[in-house]
Amino acid sequence: DGGITQSPKYLFRKEGQNVTLSCEQNLNHDAMYWYRQDPGQGLRLIYYSQIVNDFQKGDIAEGYSVSREKKESFPLTVTSAQKNPTAFYLCASSIIHSGTHYEQYFGPGTRLTVT
Amino acid sequence: QQQVKQSPQSLIVQKGGIPIINCAYENTAFDYFPWYQQFPGKGPALLIAIRPDVSEKKEGRFTISFNKSAKQFSLHIMDSQPGDSATYFCAASGDYGGSQGNLIFGKGTKLSVKP
Repeated sequence: DGGITQSPKYLFRKEGQNVTLSCEQNLNHDAMYWYRQDPGQGLRLIYYSQIVNDFQKGDIAEGYSVSREKKESFPLTVTSAQKNPTAFYLCASSIIHSGTHYEQYFGPGTRLTVT
Repeated sequence: QQQVKQSPQSLIVQKGGIPIINCAYENTAFDYFPWYQQFPGKGPALLIAIRPDVSEKKEGRFTISFNKSAKQFSLHIMDSQPGDSATYFCAASGDYGGSQGNLIFGKGTKLSVKP
């Protein structure tokens, strides 16, 4: 059963704690992405990676960190430095074409609540 | 110049109606325009996508219309059903300085189809 899995579906943490969100894909996609979704804000890019052991900051990387040690895995750590971490987090992956088109496919998401 | 402006924010139609969601962009380097459908608590799913070399693309009841000169594209849902009630996102990407082909998303349209 191919696809993108994110775990857990719901996550609760106390303020000041770091938390790591899991993202795994078995689609053999080269690129992986993390987005944050807030009501009325659409999807905002946190980090992305096009190759193992390399990643770039997106539009809202402050307070987050990632790693890409394996092609199929791209975990996101929400650190205590992130001022407003409560949100719905989405992981995506894509095939990298030789041209400019990147068809991204999304996982089911993790809803993080920090109190 | 990197924005994609989506309207309306919300839309209510009767079953069988044809909801139309519009998106506008400024960056002429964009050359890939996908639409995503998202149900509550789920990840977005790729619905249909278009490239600027065609003015229209149909997949089932979903049609994208593209107006390159106006830098606008829209999603039409024919014979809409209550099961189409979801949030729809337009997006755009292209090959321009540092973009890496990343998607820029609109803020979404919440569609409700009444029985």
